[in-house]
Amino acid sequence: GAGVSQSPSNKVTEKGKDVELRCDPISGHTALYWYRQSLGQGLEFLIYFQGNSAPDKSGLPSDRFSAERTGGSVSTLTIQRTQQEDSAVYLCASSLRPAGGQDTQYFGPGTRLTVL
Amino acid sequence: AQKITQTQPGMFVQEKEAVTLDCTYDTSDQSYGLFWYKQPSSGEMIFLIYQGSYDEQNATEGRYSLNFQKARKSTNLVISASQLGDSAMYFCAMREGNTGGFKTIFGAGTRLFVKA
Repeated sequence: GAGVSQSPSNKVTEKGKDVELRCDPISGHTALYWYRQSLGQGLEFLIYFQGNSAPDKSGLPSDRFSAERTGGSVSTLTIQRTQQEDSAVYLCASSLRPAGGQDTQYFGPGTRLTVL
Repeated sequence: AQKITQTQPGMFVQEKEAVTLDCTYDTSDQSYGLFWYKQPSSGEMIFLIYQGSYDEQNATEGRYSLNFQKARKSTNLVISASQLGDSAMYFCAMREGNTGGFKTIFGAGTRLFVKA
């Protein structure tokens, strides 16, 4: 079956512009996560969606970052007024059963964002 | 405080030999899950193996196994019979069951180099 997909795969933008990154989770997965990975670093949690519950936004680094998840499926991560330090790979993951037990997250290929 | 610690930034192993990648974690929860992911140079995150905090047996998946020492709060990944294709970044991750919501915290990673 289809895995997690993300678009675009690469995005180059100018400082100060807004960008939108898209994630399509695996069909039937109720949980969706966004992470940021700077060059040579580990993954930094950004935001988590579970069904219709309020998202866990505790990892968003500033109010320039926001995310939506429409209809419990597709998610969009928006970065307003981009800064050079926003340059990173943005990874999306989804999982099936976050309520307990093994909650394996399956990752998309990522969007590489470069802010000039 | 660092919740996931991977103390080996880089490791070398000879092809066909076994290698152990270290990971220690910090949590006050009784219920938690521990994950290992592989990230090749292509960038995708590949799930390898999972250990639940209540699992009494060490997890195994093919050539991957975990040396789970709950009292020491460590979950070291053992790769047996290393292959050239095992060269990649390896991330240890933890999801806390009670206090952490469903956020997953990742370590900084260990880069494994397999020598022919």
